[in-house]
Amino acid sequence: EAGVVQSPRYKIIEKKQPVAFWCNPISGHNTLYWYLQNLGQGPELLIRYENEEAVDDSQLPKDRFSAERLKGVDSTLKIQPAELGDSAVYLCASSSGPGTGNTGELFFGEGSRLTVL
Amino acid sequence: ILNVEQSPQSLHVQEGDSTNFTCSFPSSNFYALHWYRWETAKSPEALFVMTLNGDEKKKGRISATLNTKEGYSYLYIKGSQPEDSATYLCAFIAGGYQKVTFGTGTKLQVIP
Repeated sequence: EAGVVQSPRYKIIEKKQPVAFWCNPISGHNTLYWYLQNLGQGPELLIRYENEEAVDDSQLPKDRFSAERLKGVDSTLKIQPAELGDSAVYLCASSSGPGTGNTGELFFGEGSRLTVL
Repeated sequence: ILNVEQSPQSLHVQEGDSTNFTCSFPSSNFYALHWYRWETAKSPEALFVMTLNGDEKKKGRISATLNTKEGYSYLYIKGSQPEDSATYLCAFIAGGYQKVTFGTGTKLQVIP
């Protein structure tokens, strides 16, 4: 079974440029997460989708970040314009939760490492 | 924002030593507690999914315990090996909307 696929793995851009990350979750997983991981810190939730609906985007900086999950499968996270402080790893994860008996184990992609110069 | 804390932040142990680290989480609205291992240049992978107070899980040399009433979980590694070197993350899942909140992780380095 294919895992969570993210692209690109690495991206280097200059500040004020736009950037987009793509995620293909595990087939059948309704829940999709985008996390931000800064060096030395744990993953911080940016947005969570249940199918195509964003059910938690309270931590998403909406002035420059946007996300979409058309048709409830693939998702794209965009930053426009990027700032120096956006340099981090952007992790995508999916799970089959929530639901009766489901403990919501997350399956992660390998992440997209962004460097903003 | 839920407070999920892990300690220590980093740890260096000699090969063969046993070690343990802690995850503290809110003692109310508990749904599940996950442990993940994140090796460099790889994806985080689930080690344990724990749902009941008093749960004890074991996978080879690694085990975990759960106390939901006091809000903590311990991860133990017996006879550490270099391949155990990784960052260990715990994640607290709250009831209701199943919000998943990660701790800051414990970075383990096992020295041969």
